[in-house]
Amino acid sequence: QKEVEQNSGPLSVPEGAIASLNCTYSDRGSQSFFWYRQYSGKSPELIMSIYSNGDKEDGRFTAQLNKASQYVSLLIRDSQPSDSATYLCAGEAGGTSYGKLTFGQGTILTVHP
Amino acid sequence: GAVVSQHPSRVICKSGTSVKIECRSLDFQATTMFWYRQFPKKSLMLMATSNEGSKATYEQGVEKDKFLINHASLTLSTLTVTSAHPEDSSFYICSARDVGQGTYEQYFGPGTRLTVT
Repeated sequence: QKEVEQNSGPLSVPEGAIASLNCTYSDRGSQSFFWYRQYSGKSPELIMSIYSNGDKEDGRFTAQLNKASQYVSLLIRDSQPSDSATYLCAGEAGGTSYGKLTFGQGTILTVHP
Repeated sequence: GAVVSQHPSRVICKSGTSVKIECRSLDFQATTMFWYRQFPKKSLMLMATSNEGSKATYEQGVEKDKFLINHASLTLSTLTVTSAHPEDSSFYICSARDVGQGTYEQYFGPGTRLTVT
């Protein structure tokens, strides 16, 4: 079974710190990876996508992908209380499962003032 | 990002009745949409892939006769929960991809919270 595993939470960081969220995946055919943020009672909101090995930065967010290690991470710099949410890592399957996303179980992040 | 809407946002129905949920892509065309359900404190579970003009593809364990999906146009997919039971109570969320952008990003609708009494 193709899986996406996220580092166990919950994760608590002080305001202004760097929050590090990690994810591993088992499907070597996966080419595209996404980080979603989900506030309680709401649907997921896309915050980052990454397709190539290396880093991708967007504002306070940096996604990292290492296909050899089957590892994806998200760094949130200068964390704010508004970043407190559940973060979902998702991988998109390739081949005949094109377009399907497999989600990790989520990591709850709390940023305390 | 692309905008996906869902209607209704919340519905309460009696056991045995059917409920239809609509998913619309507002500013793009979506040949494929996806339906998920999410139980409290759990991650998203893909139910089916909705394909415009053809039959939906259901994930293993999802009853196609219970969860009817129709994707009649490039901007609308519907999910009908037939003969609903309390165990069908869940958060149903659709997603769509704006292939016109040339990316693989999927955008989610706001979700529909279904409560079956």
